[in-house]
Amino acid sequence: GAGVSQSPRYKVAKRGQDVALRCDPISGHVSLFWYQQALGQGPEFLTYFQNEAQLDKSGLPSDRFFAERPEGSVSTLKIQRTQQEDSAVYLCASSIRGGQFGELFFGEGSRLTVL
Amino acid sequence: GIQVEQSPPDLILQEGANSTLRCNFSDSVNNLQWFHQNPWGQLINLFYIPSGTKQNGRLSATTVATERYSLLYISSSQTTDSGVYFCAGEFSGGYNKLIFGAGTRLAVHP
Repeated sequence: GAGVSQSPRYKVAKRGQDVALRCDPISGHVSLFWYQQALGQGPEFLTYFQNEAQLDKSGLPSDRFFAERPEGSVSTLKIQRTQQEDSAVYLCASSIRGGQFGELFFGEGSRLTVL
Repeated sequence: GIQVEQSPPDLILQEGANSTLRCNFSDSVNNLQWFHQNPWGQLINLFYIPSGTKQNGRLSATTVATERYSLLYISSSQTTDSGVYFCAGEFSGGYNKLIFGAGTRLAVHP
């Protein structure tokens, strides 16, 4: 597609439910990033993929968070047993290059609210 | 630790005014980008500017890598410029990620 696409745009989950957030990067983009943005703050890094390889997952806040990109294109961020502190906007970004990845393009985000 | 500091945190302008936003980073960066987050939450890439100066319409940016700062200039501001401006840097040392500042919240009034 023309831009980075994320779904769902809005998700309300009850505490303890599992959620899955999808990111469809710009076609052909090698690098893919997930960020978490709490209200009134800057985006915080979660994880980075270069093609299908997850090269950095240092930002994932707990083992309840899991991300994959099995075929090097679409990525899914899964959060198990959601907690209220998981409420945030989850942003996906892609870049055409790996390594020195250059310009990042962001999707519109998935806003997660955990009740 | 690695830090990206933005100033001012908040800015209110009358339409037509000019402004300068600053970004200081704590260590050497390979990759410095400026973004605008609109009221709907979309992050739009304004500049990819690891060094030097770039201009795009009413916006321009300058990065002085040796002194670890970058500036974003907005001239003749319009109400549509309102939102949050973020700078983000990829730090030397193989960090493989952009680290964001806390942002400058800009409100432009007619």
